[in-house]
Amino acid sequence: GENVEQHPSTLSVQEGDSAVIKCTYSDSASNYFPWYKQELGKGPQLIIDIRSNVGEKKDQRIAVTLNKTAKHFSLHITETQPEDSAVYFCAASIWDNDMRFGAGTRLTVKP
Amino acid sequence: KAGVTQTPRYLIKTRGQQVTLSCSPISGHRSVSWYQQTPGQGLQFLFEYFSETQRNKGNFPGRFSGRQFSNSRSEMNVSTLELGDSALYLCASSWDRGRTGELFFGEGSRLTVL
Repeated sequence: GENVEQHPSTLSVQEGDSAVIKCTYSDSASNYFPWYKQELGKGPQLIIDIRSNVGEKKDQRIAVTLNKTAKHFSLHITETQPEDSAVYFCAASIWDNDMRFGAGTRLTVKP
Repeated sequence: KAGVTQTPRYLIKTRGQQVTLSCSPISGHRSVSWYQQTPGQGLQFLFEYFSETQRNKGNFPGRFSGRQFSNSRSEMNVSTLELGDSALYLCASSWDRGRTGELFFGEGSRLTVL
């Protein structure tokens, strides 16, 4: 089955800096790559996603890039703010098959 | 629109006992997935139900089981609890992942096994 690896496990940045989280996946048939944000005491929430027919997608301060050949995708957060502090999960899935998640990255934005 | 509701939110059990967790999906959603979240392991997929049928299953022992009712509500059961089953169990619903992909998560049921 699909295996998703995520790095780094923890990331600390100064407010206003950029943050980058990277993930790799194993199954070349995967075609959907979402990113979820989990705040303390809450369930994960989708923040951005990308499909295999797109190389990059941007939504305000966040962007995701996908390299199908290398089987890796990344989340980029620019101009980080303290409210960006949370645990971020990447995931990969094939059509309507189950979604497999990475181990998560704890992002801390220091004011 | 009400979100995904999970009950109970917290529970404590002892080894050998069994537990049943409940999940009410967003109205109209037919797919319910269950995940186990532990520190360092991220979200581990347990199983997914769609229209009362188990559609996918993760690599968990047979002690973990689930079901879905005709109103899309779902339950998961863990029998003969072990210390390692202590975790946050998350339920997620979606209308039809084949189209939109997005999962809507509840806040989870935190299980502690003593």
